[in-house]
Amino acid sequence: EAGVTQSPTHLIKPRGQQATLRCSPISGHTSVYWYQQALGLGLQFLLWYDEGEERNRGNFPPRFSGRQFPNYSSELNVNALELEDSALYLCASSPRGQNGYTFGSGTRLTVV
Amino acid sequence: AQSVTQLDSQVPVFEEAPVELRCNYSSSVSVYLFWYVQYPNQGLQLLLKYLSGSTLVKGINGFEAEFNKSQTSFHLRKPSVHISDTAEYFCAVSGGSYIPTFGRGTSLIVHP
Repeated sequence: EAGVTQSPTHLIKPRGQQATLRCSPISGHTSVYWYQQALGLGLQFLLWYDEGEERNRGNFPPRFSGRQFPNYSSELNVNALELEDSALYLCASSPRGQNGYTFGSGTRLTVV
Repeated sequence: AQSVTQLDSQVPVFEEAPVELRCNYSSSVSVYLFWYVQYPNQGLQLLLKYLSGSTLVKGINGFEAEFNKSQTSFHLRKPSVHISDTAEYFCAVSGGSYIPTFGRGTSLIVHP
C-alpha cells in the first residue's frame, strides 16, 4: 500500500511569489490535514479537508489556502510568500472520523 | 480546547540506558493520545496510540507509554535505547474534532 506522498520534496521561491504544494493521501482516506513545522515551533495545524470541503483551519492568514480534489488529493497554496513561511510542510491523511493519521515526508519550502 | 506540553526539549542518554520522555495534556473532552517519531529530514512516523482500553500501550521499536488520566500524562518509555533511536519525538492529543494538537517535541540524543 502506498503511503502519503507529497511533492515537491524541496521548493525554493522568492519572497512575494506563490507556492503550491501537493499531497496524495493513502487510498481510502478521505481526510487530509496540513501542518507547518517551522524551526523551533513544533507542528502548527493549518487546514483540514474532508470529502472535498474545508472542515477547519488553524490560526494562519488567508494567504494560506488550499483545496481537495474529487480523488481526495489536496493542494496547499501560499500566496505573497514571506521569509517566515520557510518551513517543512507536512500532510497527513486519515479515514473520515477516525483517529489515525499517517504523515507524508513533507515539502521543504524555502523563501529567499 | 486541547493542549500538549512536552516537559523536556532535549533528553541526552547513553546507549542501553532507559529513557522516559514526558508529556502532559489538557482537554475538555475524552482524548486520544499519540506519540510520533521524526528522523532527520523525514516526516512523522506513528510510534503508538491510546484510543481506549488498557492504559499501557505498546508500540513499535520497543517503546511503550502509559495513559494516566488523573495526572493527565502520557509518558513514553523505553527500557534500553539504541543509537538509532536518536530523533525528535512528538506527543499529540486529539478530541472530538479529530484534529491532533502536537507538543513542541523532545529531541532524544543517544550517546555511545
